[in-house]
Amino acid sequence: GENVEQHPSTLSVQEGDSAVIKCTYSDSASNYFPWYKQELGKGPQLIIDIRSNVGEKKDQRIAVTLNKTAKHFSLHITETQPEDSAVYFCAASGTNQAGTALIFGKGTTLSVSS
Amino acid sequence: DAGITQSPRHKVTETGTPVTLRCHQTENHRYMYWYRQDPGHGLRLIHYSYGVKDTDKGEVSDGYSVSRSKTEDFLLTLESATSSQTSVYFCATAQGQLSYGYTFGSGTRLTVV
Repeated sequence: GENVEQHPSTLSVQEGDSAVIKCTYSDSASNYFPWYKQELGKGPQLIIDIRSNVGEKKDQRIAVTLNKTAKHFSLHITETQPEDSAVYFCAASGTNQAGTALIFGKGTTLSVSS
Repeated sequence: DAGITQSPRHKVTETGTPVTLRCHQTENHRYMYWYRQDPGHGLRLIHYSYGVKDTDKGEVSDGYSVSRSKTEDFLLTLESATSSQTSVYFCATAQGQLSYGYTFGSGTRLTVV
């Protein structure tokens, strides 16, 4: 089945700097790669996603890149702000007997200091 | 988290007792999922449902069962709770199998003592 590795586990940046979180996946059949942001005490929220037929996608200060050959994808946050501090999860679509579910990385705790 | 309600939000129970967590959605989404979140492990899939009465196991299903008798409700049962099941449990729904990503509930924090 699918396995997703996420690095780094913690990341500290200064306000205004860029932050990059990287994930690798194992199943070449995976074709959907979302990123979630989780604030303290809340459930994860989808912030951006990318499909296998696209190499890059941007939404204001966040962008995701996908390299299918190398089986890795990355989240880029530019001009970081204190409110970007949260836990970020990457995920990849995985297939088992009856269907497909998202398999998540272990998360990255991002701290943005002002 | 609008449209997905998890209950209870917090629960403390004793080892060996049965526990049922409820996920209720008003989105009319076909797919529903139960994940557990633990430090160092991220989110791990317990069980999921792809329709009423249609469920299947995820990667950490041992000790858990689920039921879905109607579209809006997905129940997770711990038949005999153990301390290793202390965790935060999240329910998620999806309109399509993977078409739109997941919407998560706010979670249930379960402590087994």
